[in-house]
Amino acid sequence: DGGITQSPKYLFRKEGQNVTLSCEQNLNHDAMYWYRQDPGQGLRLIYYSQIVNDFQKGDIAEGYSVSREKKESFPLTVTSAQKNPTAFYLCASSMLRQGQETQYFGPGTRLLVL
Amino acid sequence: AQSVTQLGSHVSVSEGALVLLRCNYSSSVPPYLFWYVQYPNQGLQLLLKYTTGATLVKGINGFEAEFKKSETSFHLTKPSAHMSDAAEYFCAVSPIQGAQKLVFGQGTRLTINP
Repeated sequence: DGGITQSPKYLFRKEGQNVTLSCEQNLNHDAMYWYRQDPGQGLRLIYYSQIVNDFQKGDIAEGYSVSREKKESFPLTVTSAQKNPTAFYLCASSMLRQGQETQYFGPGTRLLVL
Repeated sequence: AQSVTQLGSHVSVSEGALVLLRCNYSSSVPPYLFWYVQYPNQGLQLLLKYTTGATLVKGINGFEAEFKKSETSFHLTKPSAHMSDAAEYFCAVSPIQGAQKLVFGQGTRLTINP
């Protein structure tokens, strides 16, 4: 079964704690993305990566970090510098060939602050 | 720069009635256009997309959208609403070159009345 998996489904963070959200895809997609979703604000891009060992900041990268050590995996770390981390986090992936760049999304991780 | 405006954060229709969700975009270059649907606590699912060619695009679940360049619009329609269509719908735009830069609208929550 091809697709994008995210884990965990729910994650709780304590003050001052770093937490890592997992995203894995077996679609052989080149690019991967992280979005944050807040009520009434649509989706905002945090980071994206087009190739292994390379990634670019999106619109709201402050307080977040990523790595891309394998093509299939793009974990997101929410650091203690992110003061308002409560949100729904969505991972996506896509090909990079022109006409095939459609982004496909995982099921999401909801992050809550204790 | 690109932007998307979805007119109406909430739309309510009766079961069996026409569904019309409005999307206008701003783009300085030829765009790709997308509609995604999101059910509660789930990821986004692609409904349909316009890349090139025919301006009337048919998607899943009986939805369709028409790209009107002169009106910079990409409205989503379905002739007869079903209870299962209740969800949040997102319009998104990206440039043809660099299509990974997907910009989302704020979303429209569709409610279906029995």
